[in-house]
Amino acid sequence: DAGVIQSPRHEVTEMGQEVTLRCKPISGHNSLFWYRQTMMRGLELLIYFNNNVPIDDSGMPEDRFSAKMPNASFSTLKIQPSEPRDSAVYFCASSLLGYQETQYFGPGTRLLVL
Amino acid sequence: AQTVTQSQPEMSVQEAETVTLSCTYDTSESDYYLFWYKQPPSRQMILVIRQEAYKQQNATENRFSVNFQKAAKSFSLKISDSQLGDAAMYFCAYIGNQFYFGTGTSLTVIP
Repeated sequence: DAGVIQSPRHEVTEMGQEVTLRCKPISGHNSLFWYRQTMMRGLELLIYFNNNVPIDDSGMPEDRFSAKMPNASFSTLKIQPSEPRDSAVYFCASSLLGYQETQYFGPGTRLLVL
Repeated sequence: AQTVTQSQPEMSVQEAETVTLSCTYDTSESDYYLFWYKQPPSRQMILVIRQEAYKQQNATENRFSVNFQKAAKSFSLKISDSQLGDAAMYFCAYIGNQFYFGTGTSLTVIP
């Protein structure tokens, strides 16, 4: 199994630009999670999908952030417009069914907003 | 509110020795799950061990074991026969109605 796939692995952009992060969960997994990791705030859950439906988006920082899961094998996290404080490592994870199951993390996308 | 506290920002252990990483949490829930994740320099988050709160028996996974004290809300990780590859950041995670990760403990393994 290829594991959770994230792209791009690194992204450098300028303030105000739109950024789209992509994630392909493990085949057969029904739950998908987006996390953000920073030195200041540690690892934070942004949003959680179950069967492609957003269940909990209370961690999404503000309206500039949006996430979609159009099908079971693909999800995007979009930041528009991006700001320097969005610089972080963004992880996608998936689990078989629900948040109680073991989550398998992707390699992360390191985002730098200048 | 639920919180997770890892009181040891850094720990070190001699190769082949045993080390224990501490984690405490605060919750009013009775049903939840606890995890230890490892993040090596590659930044990939890897599951180390998982514990269901309703199970009294401590989880064990090869050289890794936990000491789960539900009443004390404590969930420590013991690494036996430490290896160089164990060097990483270790995160304790609480998953109930919400998700909380600790701030991590950086483990150094001394050859």
